[in-house]
Amino acid sequence: QKEVEQDPGPLSVPEGAIVSLNCTYSNSAFQYFMWYRQYSRKGPELLMYTYSSGNKEDGRFTAQVDKSSKYISLFIRDSQPSDSATYLCAMSEGGGADGLTFGKGTHLIIQP
Amino acid sequence: GAVVSQHPSWVICKSGTSVKIECRSLDFQATTMFWYRQFPKQSLMLMATSNEGSKATYEQGVEKDKFLINHASLTLSTLTVTSAHPEDSSFYICSASPWGGSSTDTQYFGPGTRLTVL
Repeated sequence: QKEVEQDPGPLSVPEGAIVSLNCTYSNSAFQYFMWYRQYSRKGPELLMYTYSSGNKEDGRFTAQVDKSSKYISLFIRDSQPSDSATYLCAMSEGGGADGLTFGKGTHLIIQP
Repeated sequence: GAVVSQHPSWVICKSGTSVKIECRSLDFQATTMFWYRQFPKQSLMLMATSNEGSKATYEQGVEKDKFLINHASLTLSTLTVTSAHPEDSSFYICSASPWGGSSTDTQYFGPGTRLTVL
């Protein structure tokens, strides 16, 4: 079993829909959880960062972490075609001081 | 804020030659920088952790004599792929963790360098 599991998609939804992206993980020592957005042939862009369990909201984005279930989610409200990209979950034990373990990424397509 | 640059953005080289990739944090100091590799349709895989002024720590399976890392200052880390071969062709991405403050808990990524070895 891989450390971080993420459905690669593609996930195609109509514009304006709520998007739900998820990752599961096996290492209970992970404490820091991030979501990155990556466009083709570009570096990942940090979207959300959460420490331990709980919710965090930033504009149209909401990140949720459930450490008891080893399950993290990213919700995108009022999705736009410009949100079309690959979304990567990432996590670490020691935050910025540790290398990140990434999921494979979910390819998201928002249909106009 | 929190901008990381990489140079070059892409490079093509002949088999057996060496290639150097630079990673710079432009508006912050980074005591720790990381090097990742991403093959097509695959996730980013951590290659090594680079700390300013000390030797890099390599992940299992990564040849330290092939991938030389130098973290010369708090804003610059370099990755040299020595004697490159076609199987080294990949997308190399660096990241940096800011020094001090609340933003030390995460990493900011560069735009990546696409290496093609002929």
